[in-house]
Amino acid sequence: SQKIEQNSEALNIQEGKTATLTCNYTNYSPAYLQWYRQDPGRGPVFLLLIRENEKEKRKERLKVTFDTTLKQSLFHITASQPADSATYLCALIGVNQFYFGTGTSLTVIP
Amino acid sequence: NAGVMQNPRHLVRRRGQEARLRCSPMKGHSHVYWYRQLPEEGLKFMVYLQKENIIDESGMPKERFSAEFPKEGPSILRIQQVVRGDSAAYFCASSPESGQGASPLHFGNGTRLTVT
Repeated sequence: SQKIEQNSEALNIQEGKTATLTCNYTNYSPAYLQWYRQDPGRGPVFLLLIRENEKEKRKERLKVTFDTTLKQSLFHITASQPADSATYLCALIGVNQFYFGTGTSLTVIP
Repeated sequence: NAGVMQNPRHLVRRRGQEARLRCSPMKGHSHVYWYRQLPEEGLKFMVYLQKENIIDESGMPKERFSAEFPKEGPSILRIQQVVRGDSAAYFCASSPESGQGASPLHFGNGTRLTVT
């Protein structure tokens, strides 16, 4: 079965720095990988999608990389702000479902 | 454009009662997914439905749990004879196409079920 691992510990960074979150997966070769943001008490919100033939995708201060050889995706938030504090989830797209990682909790300290 | 609507937001049931969770997908979306989330855990897939059809229910317990997505009206996740272990947040998500596509999921804000 698919196994998706994200940074096991919460990540605390100083405002203005770049946050880097990791998503590793095994037993699967997904055609797509997505990143979501989840705030407490709310449902996840889609941020970015990257395809297997794309090495990198950017959207404003967000950047995602996808290394199918390493089976890893990195999610970067540059010039981080306190409002970026949330839990970030990666998701692999399967046949009939999306497989989610457990998420990484990010806190940006002013 | 209304997003995915789930109700109720909070539901308290006593052991042995039934819980009914409702989900109205985004307009134009015919694919609905139900996920369960426990504190400090990820989203666990339960069931994937299209209008009037269950496509994949591999994540849903065989007993006490059922789901439907009728031609008219919201999708319903039904839990019979609830037990304390059913306490969790249940999220519904919708998509205009199947999981093999590149469309993201649009989530509701969940129903938090507490079994006392």
